[in-house]
Amino acid sequence: EDQVTQSPEALRLQEGESSSLNCSYTVSGLRGLFWYRQDPGKGPEFLFTLYSAGEEKEKERLKATLTKKESFLHITAPKPEDSATYLCAVQVMDNDMRFGAGTRLTVKP
Amino acid sequence: DSGVTQTPKHLITATGQRVTLRCSPRSGDLSVYWYQQSLDQGLQFLIQYYNGEERAKGNILERFSAQQFPDLHSELNLSSLELGDSALYFCASSVGGPNRGRNTEAFFGQGTRLTVV
Repeated sequence: EDQVTQSPEALRLQEGESSSLNCSYTVSGLRGLFWYRQDPGKGPEFLFTLYSAGEEKEKERLKATLTKKESFLHITAPKPEDSATYLCAVQVMDNDMRFGAGTRLTVKP
Repeated sequence: DSGVTQTPKHLITATGQRVTLRCSPRSGDLSVYWYQQSLDQGLQFLIQYYNGEERAKGNILERFSAQQFPDLHSELNLSSLELGDSALYFCASSVGGPNRGRNTEAFFGQGTRLTVV
């Protein structure tokens, strides 16, 4: 069965303290791996798509990387406005996107 | 603004009732996904449509059904509602479908908050 596991469940950082979030997956026929940001009560906001091992994408303080078994979302020098839940999802062939449970990030000033 | 429109934003209804949630996808997107998110829970995939046809099904209850119309908007019907059905319901859309290339990322609407009392 396809599985998507995110860790840690929650992460508290001080402003400027860099860290990484993990998304591990066991799927066959991966078509894409997606990262989203979700603020409370809002719809997920698309961040990145990664298609193949070794691929990297960057946006402001965020950088996403992909291996054959996992993806990392690196957050460099985070700010309080980066506080949110970060969701990872995988898409297998032409089918649905399956989400992990998310990592709830809190950045303290 | 993602370009995906969901209505209504909020819905309060009684147990046993039936409701319809509506989703208008982004212009040009053929795939529509429905997700349920209960309090402090992850996004649970319900169902996906592509160009009017059901493409994939998740843990969708038999009391729930959906369809995608020729103009590509979609509706999620929830019937015989129970207290446990209270949740945020999200719709997402993407270009993706069979034999598509890349650019399969999905964009989410702001959700419909359903409260069953």
